[in-house]
Amino acid sequence: GENVEQHPSTLSVQEGDSAVIKCTYSDSASNYFPWYKQELGKRPQLIIDIRSNVGEKKDQRIAVTLNKTAKHFSLHITETQPEDSAVYFCAASSNTGNQFYFGTGTSLTVIP
Amino acid sequence: NAGVTQTPKFQVLKTGQSMTLQCAQDMNHEYMSWYRQDPGMGLRLIHYSVGAGITDQGEVPNGYNVSRSTTEDFPLRLLSAAPSQTSVYFCASSKDGPYEQYFGPGTRLTVT
Repeated sequence: GENVEQHPSTLSVQEGDSAVIKCTYSDSASNYFPWYKQELGKRPQLIIDIRSNVGEKKDQRIAVTLNKTAKHFSLHITETQPEDSAVYFCAASSNTGNQFYFGTGTSLTVIP
Repeated sequence: NAGVTQTPKFQVLKTGQSMTLQCAQDMNHEYMSWYRQDPGMGLRLIHYSVGAGITDQGEVPNGYNVSRSTTEDFPLRLLSAAPSQTSVYFCASSKDGPYEQYFGPGTRLTVT
């Protein structure tokens, strides 16, 4: 099946700085790449996603970039705020498109 | 809409006991899934369903059964609980395929 690797596992940034989280995947047939945010004790929530026919997608302070040739995609958070502190998970779809595989998560701490 | 609901929120089982985790959604979503979340391992897919009457295995299906008799409900059955099944279980649903999944609040299961 698909193998999704996520780095770094922990990330600390000063408030106002940018944060970047990177994921790689193994299956070249993957075509959907979501990012989820999970606050402590809460459910994962979709924050942004990208499909393979798009190279970049932005939503206010959040952006995702995709490099299909290199099989990696990244989450960029600009002007970080303390409420951005959470665990972020990337995922990639399977070759059948019926399921996807998650990375192991990045714990982001924004220091006020 | 209540969205995706799960019961119970917490459960303690003894090794060998069986139980059913309940999941329901009121959004008329065709796709439903079950994940388990373990520290350092992200979310792993147990089983999924693309519609009523159709289920399939995910990444870690052993020890679990599912059924989908209605669009709304997707229960997960633990046949004979083992300590390795101690985890947080999330149910999720989406309109069509695993895209833009909405997660339930989770069930924290401990097997002693």
